[in-house]
Amino acid sequence: GAVVSQHPSWVICKSGTSVKIECRSLDFQATTMFWYRQFPKQSLMLMATSNEGSKATYEQGVEKDKFLINHASLTLSTLTVTSAHPEDSSFYICSARTAHVFYGYTFGSGTRLTVV
Amino acid sequence: RKEVEQDPGPFNVPEGATVAFNCTYSNSASQSFFWYRQDCRKEPKLLMSVYSSGNEDGRFTAQLNRASQYISLLIRDSKLSDSATYLCVVNLSSGNTPLVFGKGTRLSVIA
Repeated sequence: GAVVSQHPSWVICKSGTSVKIECRSLDFQATTMFWYRQFPKQSLMLMATSNEGSKATYEQGVEKDKFLINHASLTLSTLTVTSAHPEDSSFYICSARTAHVFYGYTFGSGTRLTVV
Repeated sequence: RKEVEQDPGPFNVPEGATVAFNCTYSNSASQSFFWYRQDCRKEPKLLMSVYSSGNEDGRFTAQLNRASQYISLLIRDSKLSDSATYLCVVNLSSGNTPLVFGKGTRLSVIA
């Protein structure tokens, strides 16, 4: 089946540093990748939609200069949290739409970011 | 008003119990509907799609009422392994649009 590999699965970083999260589609081409974050006891909230070869579309309230998304190839999308602050600590997860018959959504395993 | 609303629970039930979760969605243009299961600190996993005619998968039954914009999930004969958070999820289209998640309902099945 369609697999999205996301890493790192967890990361602890200092305030002010940047963290890059990668999502790779292993056996399919992900033309679109959705990036979500989830705070404790909250729902997954869409941050942005990235399409291969074009600029990402950010949801209202999400700073595009802080959360840099790159989707340079059909198998790789990255999210970089720049100048991280403790309030950025969250569970970040990517999801790709597959072009299989079922047209299902495949999720990465998520990245738990803690900023200290 | 939130797009997808669920009772957060928690629901604490004994093994073998039947438990029902409800969900409402605000956008009448929503096209597709799902229940996902999320274990602690893990990614959500598709449990089942939800159709207007209702559908069943083993111990799980899902119902959709488009007129009242209401979705339900029934779990029969609860197992310890059913303990998780159940997410009600909708999509505005069947195309390449993002899923919209509810907050989830926490279920704990107790021995």
